[in-house]
Amino acid sequence: AQSVTQPDIHITVSEGASLELRCNYSYGATPYLFWYVQSPGQGLQLLLKYLSGDTLVQGIKGFEAEFKRSQSSFNLRKPSVHWSDAAEYFCAVGAQGSGQNFVFGPGTRLSVLP
Amino acid sequence: DAGITQSPRHKVTETGTPVTLRCHQTENHRYMYWYRQDPGHGLRLIHYSYGVKDTDKGEVSDGYSVSRSKTEDFLLTLESATSSQTSVYFCANWTGADSPLHFGNGTRLTVT
Repeated sequence: AQSVTQPDIHITVSEGASLELRCNYSYGATPYLFWYVQSPGQGLQLLLKYLSGDTLVQGIKGFEAEFKRSQSSFNLRKPSVHWSDAAEYFCAVGAQGSGQNFVFGPGTRLSVLP
Repeated sequence: DAGITQSPRHKVTETGTPVTLRCHQTENHRYMYWYRQDPGHGLRLIHYSYGVKDTDKGEVSDGYSVSRSKTEDFLLTLESATSSQTSVYFCANWTGADSPLHFGNGTRLTVT
């Protein structure tokens, strides 16, 4: 069965600083990988996804993520954080043709200092 | 916009009472899901549906039941609520293949 770990429960960065959120997964085949963001009181919004091909994927709001098969990682990055990026971020792994097999990490809460 | 509406958005109920949460989608997607979100656990699948009257259990289904009598509606019922079911509940749909899940805005349930 697949699993997802997000080693950092809470990260604090200053506005304008760069950001990297870590995600490691365990999956027997080539995974589908997703990053979601959740603002307080809201649902989960898709930031980006990796399905195949180019291992560096671009998403919304200036985020990008890099799939590294050798490290079983899919880390999320942003070069310059804005105060509005403060939220909780979830990494998820999915399986082709199987919506019920999405597995989510525990989440990383991002705080942004002015 | 996933076109998913969850109701109610907030609910407080007492232990032992039945509770039903509703999920309504504007699109006619076949697959729908109920998750619960708890700190440190991310989202965990409760039940899912792959069509009208077709449902199955997820990872944390004990104490929950679901029904889907119409494509657009997916109901989650707690037959006798317990304090351990205090959580935020999310409904999602899925269009299939390599698509992501799309979520509603959640229902915050407190069982006192």
